[in-house]
Amino acid sequence: DVKVTQSSRYLVKRTGEKVFLECVQDMDHENMFWYRQDPGLGLRLIYFSYDVKMKEKGDIPEGYSVSREKKERFSLILESASTNQTSMYLCASNGKANYGYTFGSGTRLTVV
Amino acid sequence: QKEVEQDPGPLSVPEGAIVSLNCTYSNSAFQYFMWYRQYSRKGPELLMYTYSSGNKEDGRFTAQVDKSSKYISLFIRDSQPSDSATYLCAMSRTNNNDMRFGAGTRLTVKP
Repeated sequence: DVKVTQSSRYLVKRTGEKVFLECVQDMDHENMFWYRQDPGLGLRLIYFSYDVKMKEKGDIPEGYSVSREKKERFSLILESASTNQTSMYLCASNGKANYGYTFGSGTRLTVV
Repeated sequence: QKEVEQDPGPLSVPEGAIVSLNCTYSNSAFQYFMWYRQYSRKGPELLMYTYSSGNKEDGRFTAQVDKSSKYISLFIRDSQPSDSATYLCAMSRTNNNDMRFGAGTRLTVKP
C-alpha cells in the first residue's frame, strides 16, 4: 500500500524554537507538498517541490522554509515558531501519472 | 472571492438518507475535479475523480460537474454512520501541482 509518512502525529513546541516536520513517501513521486489546515480556512499551500532540491512558494510561505535533499523526503522548517503557527500540517505527494494527491496523516503542532 | 467555495456545514442526516455536498468555483480553467474524505485526526483520502464535465458513479457515491455553472456536487446514497467525515472538494487546471481545495463540509450520519 502506497504511503506518505509524517514523522510525528502531535508536537508541542515553545515560541521561538526551530521546528522540523518530516515527510517521507514511498511511491517515487516527483511532487511533494506541505499544507496547513485550519478550521474555516481549509487547506492552504505553504510550499511545494517538483524535484529534488527544487522548491516553490505556495500561498502562505512566510515563516516557513523547506528542504528536499532526496526524492522521497520533504521537510518543513519553522525557523522561529510562533503561536499563530499552531495548526494541523499535512504533507502530500503525487506523480506525473497520478490523479490527485496522497496525503499523510498529519502533524498537529501546538506552539506555546 | 475565494477560488473555491464550500459550505462548511455541519450537516447531520439520519442513516439511509441521500446526502448532497456542493462546491462552486470561479476559475473557468479548472478541468480536474476531486472529492476527498477526511476522517477525524487523519489526512484526506481521494474519494472521487472527474475530468471535465459530466457524472461519475462509484458504488454509493456519484460526482457531478457542471462547468457552465462552475458547480460540482457529490451525492451519497444510503448514507451510513461510517460516512461521517469531512468532505473536501478540490480542483486544478493541470493534473500536477496546482490543486485548490474547498474548506470542507463536516458530515454526521446518525444511526
